[in-house]
Amino acid sequence: GQNIDQPTEMTATEGAIVQINCTYQTSGFNGLFWYQQHAGEAPTFLSYNVLDGLEEKGRFSSFLSRSKGYSYLLLKELQMKDSASYLCAVRERDDKIIFGKGTRLHILP
Amino acid sequence: DGGITQSPKYLFRKEGQNVTLSCEQNLNHDAMYWYRQDPGQGLRLIYYSQIVNDFQKGDIAEGYSVSREKKESFPLTVTSAQKNPTAFYLCASSPEGTVNQPQHFGDGTRLSIL
Repeated sequence: GQNIDQPTEMTATEGAIVQINCTYQTSGFNGLFWYQQHAGEAPTFLSYNVLDGLEEKGRFSSFLSRSKGYSYLLLKELQMKDSASYLCAVRERDDKIIFGKGTRLHILP
Repeated sequence: DGGITQSPKYLFRKEGQNVTLSCEQNLNHDAMYWYRQDPGQGLRLIYYSQIVNDFQKGDIAEGYSVSREKKESFPLTVTSAQKNPTAFYLCASSPEGTVNQPQHFGDGTRLSIL
């Protein structure tokens, strides 16, 4: 069956670094996405990985290991506005895209 | 500007009533999706469509129905068979065949039961 796991909640301090992990077991794999979602709003796209390795985009980086079914999102120089939920999503065969339950990140001053 | 429009933003349903949520996109995307989100939870896939006049069930299709008569439109009907319909509903689209393109999301419809 299909399954995407993320930690439910994490807490970090302003200015620090945090790593949010995602493991997946899906029917086929055509890429992994990370989204940010503030409460009551639509998700916004952060990153995409389809090959193994690290993709860096400003303060955010995302890593993928297809053999391990594992990804992480790394957030550096945390700001208060980074307090949000972070969603891991996998594109399976035939454009089906499924999401994990999301990780709520709390930033402390 | 291109984008996805969901309407209405808030919707109230009486018990035993069907309601239809609208989703329109002008991005010329082939694939469209409906997700349900409950408080503090992730997105769960209801239905998705890769092309006009075709759609597939997602993980929680029971109590919902969709149609895809036009490329731009993918309405979702929440039927009376859906016993717990109160949730935040998100519509999304993406270009088919370009796997690195993220989904574009509408602003969502919040459905409540009276």
